[in-house]
Amino acid sequence: EVQLVESGGVVVQPGGSLRISCAASGFTFDDYTMHWVRQAPGKGLEWVSLISWDGGSTYYADSVKGRFSISRDNSKNSLYLQMNSLRTEDTALYYCAKDFRDTTPTYYFDYWGQGTLVTVSS
Amino acid sequence: EIVLTQSPATLSLSPGERATLSCRASQSISNYLGWYQQKPGQAPRLLIYDASNRASGIPARFSGSGSGTDFTLTISSLEPEDFAVYYCQQRNIWPFGGGTKVEIK
Repeated sequence: EVQLVESGGVVVQPGGSLRISCAASGFTFDDYTMHWVRQAPGKGLEWVSLISWDGGSTYYADSVKGRFSISRDNSKNSLYLQMNSLRTEDTALYYCAKDFRDTTPTYYFDYWGQGTLVTVSS
Repeated sequence: EIVLTQSPATLSLSPGERATLSCRASQSISNYLGWYQQKPGQAPRLLIYDASNRASGIPARFSGSGSGTDFTLTISSLEPEDFAVYYCQQRNIWPFGGGTKVEIK
């Protein structure tokens, strides 16, 4: 059974930094592109970032480019998102999501975690 | 940037009725469109990919159609568990649609 479990969400002050994690199991982690998708309270979904199966390619939404950094450790079946220079508008539930197909990203997400809440507030 | 516009924002229907949800792209996206269902307090679930293909385990009452700029998600006969928010998404880094809430009438 595929499982994605996010952790690390906390309350952080504007301008602060935070790293959130996602532990994956139930599939061959290093075959798949992985994504972070976020959802502000009461709002819709926003794709944030992706990382290729081998970590060689990363992409970011314009809203986080230059501030967030995605990484993965395939030996630990783990995905990370380093968030710097946080803003109040970054407040959201952050989901880890698995790409639908192996190797080449489709940007469809067939498995999601339950999310970790990041609150940026003074 | 390609913008996806979903309509209506809210659809009020009764169980057993047919639901028709629309998603319009600001420019052609071929058939590169997915649909997701999200219930309160839950993560989204992939329903449809590439406009018309049901994801694994998705009931046959869900169907998708369209290409180019106009897409439709149809739920042939609403079950109680289908009342939720539905999002369309282009197969790329562009934003999701704003969502359609299907609520019980």
